[in-house]
Amino acid sequence: DAGVIQSPRHEVTEMGQEVTLRCKPISGHNSLFWYRQTMMRGLELLIYFNNNVPIDDSGMPEDRFSAKMPNASFSTLKIQPSEPRDSAVYFCASSFVVAINLRGRSGRNTEAFFGQGTRLTVV
Amino acid sequence: SQKIEQNSEALNIQEGKTATLTCNYTNYSPAYLQWYRQDPGRGPVFLLLIRENEKEKRKERLKVTFDTTLKQSLFHITASQPADSATYLCALTDTGRRALTFGSGTRLQVQP
Repeated sequence: DAGVIQSPRHEVTEMGQEVTLRCKPISGHNSLFWYRQTMMRGLELLIYFNNNVPIDDSGMPEDRFSAKMPNASFSTLKIQPSEPRDSAVYFCASSFVVAINLRGRSGRNTEAFFGQGTRLTVV
Repeated sequence: SQKIEQNSEALNIQEGKTATLTCNYTNYSPAYLQWYRQDPGRGPVFLLLIRENEKEKRKERLKVTFDTTLKQSLFHITASQPADSATYLCALTDTGRRALTFGSGTRLQVQP
């Protein structure tokens, strides 16, 4: 498998324009994550899908951000309209998860595989 | 509030020495803790996973400890090499969110 594939690798856009980032997860993985990384805030979780269903989108900054996963092999993250403060590296990651219950507490016992990231610059 | 804290200052050590990186967490009850390596311009790459009932885990030159009483994990690289220079991130599963949350990472620089 080629790993998690993201496109584009770099995107420069003007403020106010729509930006769409794309991700192809590893075949057979049932979880997909979108993260954003900046120097100031580190690696932040934006949204998490399990079996193509959004489970947790509490990290999505505001309504300008939206994410979809129409099938198990494709996801998009859209920013409309984009702003300079959205400039960051956006990572997609996938994982195969079996939810484990340890004394009533679930956990994630498998690694996440990251793509190369999309460096977004909004000018 | 929940926090995962790693030393934000870079760690500089001489080749051949042991590097020790620290991850402290607050208001989490993780069943698992993971460590990742990130090189400039690349995505994080998984290194090790340790369960709450494991005190220590080893993989080649890497060793991870997990102390749920102290709420701390230590990551050791023995016989360090310049190729080990990278940023190292710890990550936890928040039971409620069920997704990996990452610390800010510690940059390791191994001098030849």
